[in-house]
Amino acid sequence: GENVEQHPSTLSVQEGDSAVIKCTYSDSASNYFPWYKQELGKRPQLIIDIRSNVGEKKDQRIAVTLNKTAKHFSLHITETQPEDSAVYFCAARLNSGGYQKVTFGTGTKLQVIP
Amino acid sequence: DSGVTQTPKHLITATGQRVTLRCSPRSGDLSVYWYQQSLDQGLQFLIQYYNGEERAKGNILERFSAQQFPDLHSELNLSSLELGDSALYFCASSVVIGPGANVLTFGAGSRLTVL
Repeated sequence: GENVEQHPSTLSVQEGDSAVIKCTYSDSASNYFPWYKQELGKRPQLIIDIRSNVGEKKDQRIAVTLNKTAKHFSLHITETQPEDSAVYFCAARLNSGGYQKVTFGTGTKLQVIP
Repeated sequence: DSGVTQTPKHLITATGQRVTLRCSPRSGDLSVYWYQQSLDQGLQFLIQYYNGEERAKGNILERFSAQQFPDLHSELNLSSLELGDSALYFCASSVVIGPGANVLTFGAGSRLTVL
């Protein structure tokens, strides 16, 4: 099965600085990689995603890069703001035997210091 | 409101008891996923259903079971509860084909406390 590793587990940055979270996956058949943001006590919400036929995707201050050869993908947040403080989860979707399974990383707790 | 409805929001029960968590997916979503999130932990995949059929299984305990009904709502049954089962249980739903395929939309979760 798929295994997703996520680093770092915690990250503190000063407001205005950039934050980078990295994930690796094990199964080269995985073809869809979403990122979710979870604020304290709330549900995870999709913030950006990337499919395996794309190397990079950007949405305002958020970007995701994918390196299929190395089987890793990263989330980049620029000009961080206090409201970016949350737990971020990466995930990988694997198509296997006619069904799909979404495996999440262990999460990164991001703290943006004003 | 994400469109995924979970009930109850909070549940407190005792060890050895049995509870049922309910999830109604977004309109049009045929796939339902269940995840367990213990305190300060990640999202552990439990099980997935598609149009009433079980499609994928994660690290779901034998004491836990689930099903998806013809109207597409799903129920997660947790029995012989232990203290360690205390967690936030999320349901998510998705479409299978089209531009939004397999994008998970999560419900607000059901917080289970076992005393």
